[in-house]
Amino acid sequence: AQRVTQPEKLLSVFKGAPVELKCNYSYSGSPELFWYVQYSRQRLQLLLRHISRESIKGFTADLNKGETSFHLKKPFAQEEDSAMYYCALSGQGGSGGSNYKLTFGKGTLLTVNP
Amino acid sequence: NAGVTQTPKFRILKIGQSMTLQCAQDMNHNYMYWYRQDPGMGLKLIYYSVGAGITDKGEVPNGYNVSRSTTEDFPLRLELAAPSQTSVYFCASREGAKGYTFGSGTRLTVV
Repeated sequence: AQRVTQPEKLLSVFKGAPVELKCNYSYSGSPELFWYVQYSRQRLQLLLRHISRESIKGFTADLNKGETSFHLKKPFAQEEDSAMYYCALSGQGGSGGSNYKLTFGKGTLLTVNP
Repeated sequence: NAGVTQTPKFRILKIGQSMTLQCAQDMNHNYMYWYRQDPGMGLKLIYYSVGAGITDKGEVPNGYNVSRSTTEDFPLRLELAAPSQTSVYFCASREGAKGYTFGSGTRLTVV
């Protein structure tokens, strides 16, 4: 079974401070990890995929297979980063669509204070 | 290219009523998914489809039905609405190794 754990429901930081949103996962095969962001009452938007290894809006995330983690980091938080962040996991192919199902963590609400 | 379109955006239902949440995508994606989002619970998969004519249950399918007669459309049906189905519903599509595209959501309240 695949599982994603985001241990923090709420995270509050001040503008300019570093931020780290934690994500741990459980999966028996080779997972694909994502971070999605949801601004107030909007649709989910893809922030990062571990495969692409890029930095979006100053955020980065590294897949650590030894620790089964995919923590999201940003060195200097901005007020516009305030949003709900979801870590999600998907299998990498295989038969049918079941391996492409996204399993979400429960989300972390990030608040960046001025 | 509109992506994933969901209608309606908002709906209030009375207990026992039925409705269909519409989802359409114009990207020719084979894989489509329905999720519900509840506060503090993240998103849970209701049903998914790997192509026209093929659907399967997700994590929380009870009280819902789906059909996939075309590649573009993946409607979600609620037959007898219950207060526990008050939620925000998101439809998504994906093609192979590419990322998911989500719709803007349908906010449903059952009273």
